[in-house]
Amino acid sequence: AQSVSQHNHHVILSEAASLELGCNYSYGGTVNLFWYVQYPGQHLQLLLKYFSGDPLVKGIKGFEAEFIKSKFSFNLRKPSVQWSDTAEYFCAAPPNDYKLSFGAGTTVTVRA
Amino acid sequence: DTEVTQTPKHLVMGMTNKKSLKCEQHMGHRAMYWYKQKAKKPPELMFVYSYEKLSINESVPSRFSPECPNSSLLNLHLHALQPEDSALYLCASSPTGGETGYTFGSGTRLTVV
Repeated sequence: AQSVSQHNHHVILSEAASLELGCNYSYGGTVNLFWYVQYPGQHLQLLLKYFSGDPLVKGIKGFEAEFIKSKFSFNLRKPSVQWSDTAEYFCAAPPNDYKLSFGAGTTVTVRA
Repeated sequence: DTEVTQTPKHLVMGMTNKKSLKCEQHMGHRAMYWYKQKAKKPPELMFVYSYEKLSINESVPSRFSPECPNSSLLNLHLHALQPEDSALYLCASSPTGGETGYTFGSGTRLTVV
């Protein structure tokens, strides 16, 4: 079964800085990967997903992620963050019998 | 309608109370889920309903009792909870097995006193 790991637990950066969050997945056949965001006090929202095709995936709010098969990675990027990007970010592996496996999450704090 | 609606948004209950959390979606999704989330932690799967039948119970204590009255509704009945059960309870749905991703509700923040 697919599983994911996130290595950045807390990232602090200034507005306009670039952001990259790491996510590594374990091999398990078909690769489907997701990034979710949870703003303070809000619900989980799907940022982007990868199923197949172009390894560079564009998501909402200016985020993108690149699937690199050779590195088992699916890192999330944003060229220039805003204060409103302060949130918890979760990488997630595809369901195995409906189970969506989440990474531990990365807290991103953007300072104005 | 592309939302999962959860009620109530906040709930405070005593350890002897009985309460229910409700979840509703009108996207025609056939799989619905209950997750529990502690602060700064990823959601933990509790239950999965597929085509209105319970397909996964992640060894959840019996003080949590799920119910799926129809394809649009999902309830979580609570009885004799413990303070450590205080958490954000999230409902989610997916078209079938969730390969296209889940849609999450905004959650019910539960406090057990």
